[in-house]
Amino acid sequence: DQQVKQNSPSLSVQEGRISILNCDYTNSMFDYFLWYKKYPAEGPTFLISISSIKDKNEDGRFTVFLNKSAKHLSLHIVPSQPGDSAVYFCAASVRDNFNKFYFGSGTKLNVKP
Amino acid sequence: DAMVIQNPRYQVTQFGKPVTLSCSQTLNHNVMYWYQQKSSQAPKLLFHYYDKDFNNEADTPDNFQSRRPNTSFCFLDIRSPGLGDAAMYLCATSRVQPRNEKLFFGSGTQLSVL
Repeated sequence: DQQVKQNSPSLSVQEGRISILNCDYTNSMFDYFLWYKKYPAEGPTFLISISSIKDKNEDGRFTVFLNKSAKHLSLHIVPSQPGDSAVYFCAASVRDNFNKFYFGSGTKLNVKP
Repeated sequence: DAMVIQNPRYQVTQFGKPVTLSCSQTLNHNVMYWYQQKSSQAPKLLFHYYDKDFNNEADTPDNFQSRRPNTSFCFLDIRSPGLGDAAMYLCATSRVQPRNEKLFFGSGTQLSVL
């Protein structure tokens, strides 16, 4: 049973525009969320995270928004750059089970020059 | 630089022939994980070690085993690989305190089964 879902397998955006990647979750116990970025033939690298006590976290061009009532989070990339083209994974964890991270299936972002 | 290293990057094995994938870390993290990722799917946790304590996921097949001889190294053994075991295998580490903030991944081993 997939507890973290990324329903868009791919997204194509023009350079300079905003990229919005979405993620939904079903477990209301999740209290910590992360985004990872993965280039081909490399392991995922950490991008940004957010705790459930916040609804927004910003780091440079990357902002993550959390809507707990909707069990939804999104990653905004502004402005998008060709080097952002990668697969983006959403992940979630539960404070009481701190060793387990649940991943979505990823969204492949293509930023066109 | 501190990192998570997986060897080999690509591994080809024959159906039913045992294979071992290795992972080492210089981060001195106490938790090490093995994930299996098939194309266009979410990484799936197979098991993890919290120090020497082994934690197996309920749906991980018995065909998959792991060893952690010391803090730095962790191995994934597939006793009798089937065609369905072809996948990317990702090793990851994390530290627990003050809170398990994130996973650090290796580059992965792409396993092919012929």
